[in-house]
Amino acid sequence: NAGVMQNPRHLVRRRGQEARLRCSPMKGHSHVYWYRQLPEEGLKFMVYLQKENIIDESGMPKERFSAEFPKEGPSILRIQQVVRGDSAAYFCASSPVGAAEQFFGPGTRLTVL
Amino acid sequence: QKEVEQDPGPLSVPEGAIVSLNCTYSNSAFQYFMWYRQYSRKGPELLMYTYSSGNKEDGRFTAQVDKSSKYISLFIRDSQPSDSATYLCATTTEGSYIPTFGRGTSLIVHP
Repeated sequence: NAGVMQNPRHLVRRRGQEARLRCSPMKGHSHVYWYRQLPEEGLKFMVYLQKENIIDESGMPKERFSAEFPKEGPSILRIQQVVRGDSAAYFCASSPVGAAEQFFGPGTRLTVL
Repeated sequence: QKEVEQDPGPLSVPEGAIVSLNCTYSNSAFQYFMWYRQYSRKGPELLMYTYSSGNKEDGRFTAQVDKSSKYISLFIRDSQPSDSATYLCATTTEGSYIPTFGRGTSLIVHP
């Protein structure tokens, strides 16, 4: 049973470009959560999605960031016009139902030059 | 004051030692408590999940929650070099699916 998959594992973008991060949840999981981890900081919640619905986006910056989880395909976290402060590790987690017990993917490390 | 406080360490111990990792929290509404292990450059892995106060044991790992003092602990017996990682505590309230994480404690177990 494959775990949570994220790609790319590493992403380099120049300031002003767009970054697209993809997450495929574990088989049978329909709930997806995105977190950001900065050096020397803990995991910070960004957004919680179910298929075709955003349940909670209280941790998402109001501008430049968006997320979706379509009926078919992976969940996408999109960052437009990236800035150096967006450099971080972005983790996706999934669960079979809404739950605090979540299973994490390996992360995407975004570097903005 | 952060909602979940955790000493970043590093905590360095010899192989075979008993390790005690701790967190404090400020919100008395927190009911669910979790410990994650995160190896360098990897995603967090759920180790222990407990509800309310008390102890929970799983192999060499014991999670302990003291709600009266808002203190949570993870004990690792017979520590191994493979236990070297960052340990994150997390907690959430009843009905919430969004954990609040501590910043993690770096553990180094040397042979």
